Amino acid sequence: EAGVVQSPRYKIIEKKQPVAFWCNPISGHNTLYWYLQNLGQGPELLIRYENEEAVDDSQLPKDRFSAERLKGVDSTLKIQPAELGDSAVYLCASSLGQSGTGELFFGEGSRLTVL
Amino acid sequence: AQSVSQHNHHVILSEAASLELGCNYSYGGTVNLFWYVQYPGQHLQLLLKYFSGDPLVKGIKGFEAEFIKSKFSFNLRKPSVQWSDTAEYFCAVFGTGGFKTIFGAGTRLFVKA
Repeated sequence: EAGVVQSPRYKIIEKKQPVAFWCNPISGHNTLYWYLQNLGQGPELLIRYENEEAVDDSQLPKDRFSAERLKGVDSTLKIQPAELGDSAVYLCASSLGQSGTGELFFGEGSRLTVL
Repeated sequence: AQSVSQHNHHVILSEAASLELGCNYSYGGTVNLFWYVQYPGQHLQLLLKYFSGDPLVKGIKGFEAEFIKSKFSFNLRKPSVQWSDTAEYFCAVFGTGGFKTIFGAGTRLFVKA
């Protein structure tokens, strides 16, 4: 069974540039999450999708961050414009079932460096 | 508000030493509890989980954790660590009322060969 797939693995951009990250969850997983992981910290939830609906985006900085999951499968997270403080690892995770048990399956992450 | 606290940010042990990593959480309702591990260069993966029943749960690679409800704790243990256990360990709590998984800051474990 294929795991959660994320791309790109690494991205280096200059500040004020846009950047996008893509995630394909495990087949059949209805719930998709984007987490932010800063150096030396644990993952922090940015947004949670149940199918195509964003059911929790309270931690997403909506002035510069946006996300979509149009068909309820893969998802894109965008930052525009990027700031120096956005340098971090962006993790995508998925889980089976609506809301579920909290057990998450993670991708390898997309490491962003903003210069 | 839901929160998770891991007591040690960095732990250094010699091979064969015993390991215990502390985790305490704050949440007013029923929880599911997890330990995730991230080996160098790899993605986060589940080490063990507790949903209900026996509060002593066993996971992969000889790890176990004990849920003590009265202490809001879910400490991770291993009797004898190996060099290959070098990794970062994250405690996570899912509040069944809020449908949100919250992670602790992580503990970096380095095992000396």
